[in-house]
Formats: sequence, structure tokens, C-alpha cells
Amino acid sequence: DQQVKQNSPSLSVQEGRISILNCDYTNSMFDYFLWYKKYPAEGPTFLISISSIKDKNEDGRFTVFLNKSAKHLSLHIVPSQPGDSAVYFCAASATVDSWGKLQFGAGTQVVVTP
Amino acid sequence: SQTIHQWPATLVQPVGSPLSLECTVEGTSNPNLYWYRQAAGRGLQLLFYSVGIGQISSEVPQNLSASRPQDRQFILSSKKLLLSDSGFYLCAWGRFSNQPQHFGDGTRLSIL
Repeated sequence: DQQVKQNSPSLSVQEGRISILNCDYTNSMFDYFLWYKKYPAEGPTFLISISSIKDKNEDGRFTVFLNKSAKHLSLHIVPSQPGDSAVYFCAASATVDSWGKLQFGAGTQVVVTP
Repeated sequence: SQTIHQWPATLVQPVGSPLSLECTVEGTSNPNLYWYRQAAGRGLQLLFYSVGIGQISSEVPQNLSASRPQDRQFILSSKKLLLSDSGFYLCAWGRFSNQPQHFGDGTRLSIL
């Protein structure tokens, strides 16, 4: 079963505006969440992560928000730039027993238009 | 700094042929190593992981196997490829479960 879901397969946003990507999870044992960015024919690149003891983590233009009660996290990119056009994957793990195993969502294709 | 290498970048194989994909990590010791597969339009699915030399755990039943003959070397193999083995295979390394994994550039495998 899909424990991490990204329900929006694609997102189009104008350059300079905010991109908001959403992710939902079902496993209450998940306590570490990550966002990866992927260009075609390349491996995913780590963007930002958040532990379940926090509800927000910020790194430059990227902010991740975690709502544990709703089992929901989101990635905000402000301002969006053309180089942000890529597929973004949400991932989660249960650090207590998982040996770092990650469960991934299906990804959201972001297109930043001029 | 740490780097991860995967090869080949692309591979076209006939059904029934064997497979060997190799992954090596530099700049760290005793990493956790992972093999993922991305099918078209899907997320990444964990296939195997290893926490030490000779130790392999499989996540899903399949036609593939993995081995870790050296600390920083991880190999994905098959004796006879199936059409359903087509996909994008990614190797990753990590140190601790509360830290990110880092991925290689992947191998695009096409089965004919």
C-alpha cells in the first residue's frame, strides 16, 4: 500500500511566485520527512528535511511544514525560479526501526514559467 | 566529500539475459546502502538495503538479487531478466536513519 502520497502529479507556477507542494502519509510511525528534487536522467538530490519534533524547517527559498495531526507536510518554494522546474519527491521514514528505509511518494512535476 | 558512482548509465538487455549493476561510494566508511527502482510515472520503490558487508535485506519479492562484497560496493544482479525488470535503478547511501540518503545518477534499464 502507498504510505506516502502526493496527490498532485503536476504544478505550473509563474516565475517569482510561490510553489506549494503537498504530501500526505498514513503511517503514524513516520518521524522523519524529506523532500528531494529530480531532473530527468539524474538521481534525486536532497533538498530539505524535517523531524517530527518540529513543525517547520527553513533553508533559503525552501520551507517545509509538518502537520502531524493531519499527517500532512508541504514544501514551499519562494520565489520560484526556472531552475526549480523538476520532479519533487516527498519521502518519509520511521527512524526507530527502519535502518533509514525511505518510503517515497509518486512525485510532483513542477514547471516554472517565465 | 562523499561521492556515489553508478554504472552503466543506460543499458539495453534482451529478455532472459543476466544483469549486473554496480554502485560504489567514496569518502565514507560503513555506509548503509540501498537499491531503489523507479517505474515510469511512479515513485521510488526500495528493493534492497545493506547495513554491512555481506548483509542484504530484500524489501519486495522479485527477480533480482543484491550483494555487498566490499564495504562501499553494492551490486544488483539477475540471472534472467524479465520485461517487467525495465526501469530506472538508483543506488543510495546513508549513515543514520535521521539523516538524508544521497543518490547516484541511476541506470536506465530497458528490456527488449
